[in-house]
Parts: sequence; C-alpha cells; structure tokens
Amino acid sequence: EAGVVQSPRYKIIEKKQPVAFWCNPISGHNTLYWYRQNLGQGPELLIRYENEEAVDDSQLPKDRFSAERLKGVDSTLKIQPAELGDSAVYLCASSLPRPGLGHNEQFFGPGTRLTVL
Amino acid sequence: LAKTTQPISMDSYEGQEVNITCSHNNIATNDYITWYQQFPSQGPRFIIQGYKTKVTNEVASLFIPADRKSSTLSLPRVSLSDTAVYYCLVGEGGTASKLTFGTGTRLQVTL
Repeated sequence: EAGVVQSPRYKIIEKKQPVAFWCNPISGHNTLYWYRQNLGQGPELLIRYENEEAVDDSQLPKDRFSAERLKGVDSTLKIQPAELGDSAVYLCASSLPRPGLGHNEQFFGPGTRLTVL
Repeated sequence: LAKTTQPISMDSYEGQEVNITCSHNNIATNDYITWYQQFPSQGPRFIIQGYKTKVTNEVASLFIPADRKSSTLSLPRVSLSDTAVYYCLVGEGGTASKLTFGTGTRLQVTL
C-alpha cells in the first residue's frame, strides 16, 4: 500500500514569491494534517482536516498561509508571499479513526523542504 | 496539553538496550502516551502507545509506572539503524487530540 505522498520534495524560492505544497494521504484516511518542522525542532501542527472540513487551524498563520482539501482526499498548502522565516520542512500526515481509546496513529509523508532566499 | 521533558541526546553502542525516559508530571486522566521515531529526511513514524503499566510490540516496550508521571521507551539490542530522534507525546486519545511534539531525544548508536 502506498504511503502518504508529498510533492515537491524540495523547493527553493525567493522571498515574497508564492509556493504550494501538495499531499495525497493514504487511501481511506479521512483525517489529514499539515505540520511545519524547523531545523532541530519537532513538528508543529498547522492545520487538521476531517474529510474536507478544517477542524483545527488555530496554528495556521492566516495572513499568508492557506490550505484546502476540496474533495476530502488530497490537499494543498499555500504560502503567499513567502518570508525568510518560512524556510522549514512541511510535513503531511494522515490517519484513520481509531475505534476505542488512544491516539489515532499518524502516518507521515517524507515532507517538502522549503528554502526561502 | 501535558508538557513532556526528555533528554536532548543519548549515545549507545550497538547491541545494547536503550531506555529513554520521558517526564510528564501533569498528565491528565484521559491522556495517552505515544512515542514516534524520526530518521533524517523522513517524517516521524509511530512506535508505540500506552496508557498504563507495560506495552510491548515487535520493536519496543513502553513502561508506565502507576502514577503515570513518567514513561520509559525501551529499545532492545539497538543497531546502527536505530539512530534517530525519538519523540514522547502526551494527550487525549481520539482524532480530536492534538499531538504536540517537543524537541525529542537524539539517539546516536555506534559500533
């Protein structure tokens, strides 16, 4: 079974330019997450989707970041305009509802490494 | 969300057992303890999850004392390929739970 797919793997842009990241979750996973990971730090949640609904976007910098998951499957995260501080790895993860108790195991993609010059 | 504290780094020789302890003094009644592993240039990968006592799977064991204020991830007979960052996370279960990653423990395994 294919894992979480992300593209591109690497992106280099100049500041003030727009950039978009794409994620295709594992088939059947209705929950999708976008994380940002700065060098030497753990991932930080940006937004979580349940199907096509964004149920937690409290950590998303809405002045420049936007995301969509129109058909409840793949998702796009956009930054416009990018700033130097946006350089990081952007990770996408997906999960299935877990019956009973405990966290739903999240399956992560390889991430997109963004460099803003 | 319960805050976790774990060592920044650990070193081990190949073949040894490695125990990484995580402190979570303000863990709540409904909180679960989850560990993830992350290799360079990859996303984190789920290792193990528990609520109390001991949980074991094919790659690790998780020991949780009765007061649940700490937990220990045990990796038996580590190999060079276990060199990675290990994250301890605490929070309520279910889809709505928000996993908060700290800085993790960087484990370096050498010959």
